[in-house]
Amino acid sequence: AQSVAQPEDQVNVAEGNPLTVKCTYSVSGNPYLFWYVQYPNRGLQFLLKYITGDNLVKGSYGFEAEFNKSQTSFHLKKPSALVSDSALYFCAVSPEGFQKLVFGTGTRLLVSP
Amino acid sequence: DGGITQSPKYLFRKEGQNVTLSCEQNLNHDAMYWYRQDPGQGLRLIYYSQIVNDFQKGDIAEGYSVSREKKESFPLTVTSAQKNPTAFYLCASSILQGSNQPQHFGDGTRLSIL
Repeated sequence: AQSVAQPEDQVNVAEGNPLTVKCTYSVSGNPYLFWYVQYPNRGLQFLLKYITGDNLVKGSYGFEAEFNKSQTSFHLKKPSALVSDSALYFCAVSPEGFQKLVFGTGTRLLVSP
Repeated sequence: DGGITQSPKYLFRKEGQNVTLSCEQNLNHDAMYWYRQDPGQGLRLIYYSQIVNDFQKGDIAEGYSVSREKKESFPLTVTSAQKNPTAFYLCASSILQGSNQPQHFGDGTRLSIL
C-alpha cells in the first residue's frame, strides 16, 4: 500500500530565507507525486507534480521540488520565502496509472517578517 | 470561470439527522472525489466516481453515501450512522481516473454537531 510521510508538523523560516518542506513516500512501481497548498478555510491548490523526467520540478509561485528515487523523497523548496507563503502544505502520491491519491498529514509553514 | 462549487460553507447536524453536502463542477471532469479533513490527519478519501451512475468506496466510507446522476454533480450524504461527523469536507475533480493530471478542489464545507 502506498503512504506518504511529512515528518515536520511545522516549519518556521524568516522572510527572504530559503525554505524546505520534507516529504518521503512509499509506493509500488513508479510514483506520481504532487504538492498542494491550503490557506485557512479554503480548498487545496495544486502547486506542482512529478510524473517522469527531470528530477527538479518547477511549479507555481516560485516553488520547486526535487524527486530523489533512491531516498524516496520529494521535498518542496523555495529559494526566498515570503510571508504570504505561510499556509498548510500537503504532499500526495499515487502509483502510476491511478488517480487515487494518498495524502501526507500536512506541514504548516510559518514565514516570519 | 471554471471551478468546483461546494455548498453550504457551514452546516450543522442534529442528532439522528442526515445531511447532504453539495458539490458541482463545470470543468467537464469525469472523475470526482470526496475527502474528509481532520486536524493532523491530512485528507482521507470517502468516495470517488469515475463516471455517471458509478462510484466506489474510499478508505472511510462507513456512515456516508453518494450519488452521481449527472457528470457535474456529486452530492455527499452524511448519515446518522456516522457517529463523528465533525470535520471539513472537500470535494475534488480530475480529468480522468488514472491520468497524471492534478485534482481540483472546492473550498469545502465545515460540518459541526449541534
